[in-house]
Amino acid sequence: DAKTTQPNSMESNEEEPVHLPCNHSTISGTDYIHWYRQLPSQGPEYVIHGLTSNVNNRMASLAIAEDRKSSTLILHRATLRDAAVYYCINNFGNEKLTFGTGTRLTIIP
Amino acid sequence: DAGVTQSPTHLIKTRGQQVTLRCSPKSGHDTVSWYQQALGQGPQFIFQYYEEEERQRGNFPDRFSGHQFPNYSSELNVNALLLGDSALYLCASSLRGLPVYEQYFGPGTRLTVT
Repeated sequence: DAKTTQPNSMESNEEEPVHLPCNHSTISGTDYIHWYRQLPSQGPEYVIHGLTSNVNNRMASLAIAEDRKSSTLILHRATLRDAAVYYCINNFGNEKLTFGTGTRLTIIP
Repeated sequence: DAGVTQSPTHLIKTRGQQVTLRCSPKSGHDTVSWYQQALGQGPQFIFQYYEEEERQRGNFPDRFSGHQFPNYSSELNVNALLLGDSALYLCASSLRGLPVYEQYFGPGTRLTVT
């Protein structure tokens, strides 16, 4: 799986949008971009994934750069429950997930 | 649906001892993967079990071994514990053939080696 680079930490005010960036300059053409998050004292949970087009689901949106070398996870209206470590992972059909150190998101009330 | 369950929640062992951690997969799942998460790091893949056999293995020594039972539950065994084995051990279950994001993690077992 290709290596990804994320900021160590970010802060955001409650009820404001949050944009979490990820660089994956060595991504292969068939790798999907996955985002997981890990809430305190819990295991990671799936957030969203995409290949080339922007994606939306009930949790978040994923914006993928045209060259696919970067992506942004968007939380449209952050709540205190969104405080977590967010991981960006490139993966193609491999059930083994390769996690980096992720971005620790702090939500300020 | 109870989801993925792990036991025990916390465990304290002494260096050199052996430990067994247990995982029950989500109902309907047949594949179990184990991850080690050191403090401040992301989870690292240890190995995966399917049809009672180890199918993939990460960069971990032979001191780490596992087993999968006919009911799909799994055990992770670590022999000759080192201080560096202190970590959160996560189990993830999935159904063979489904996409990787259809993988569900348990809450983990916190192992402390003193």
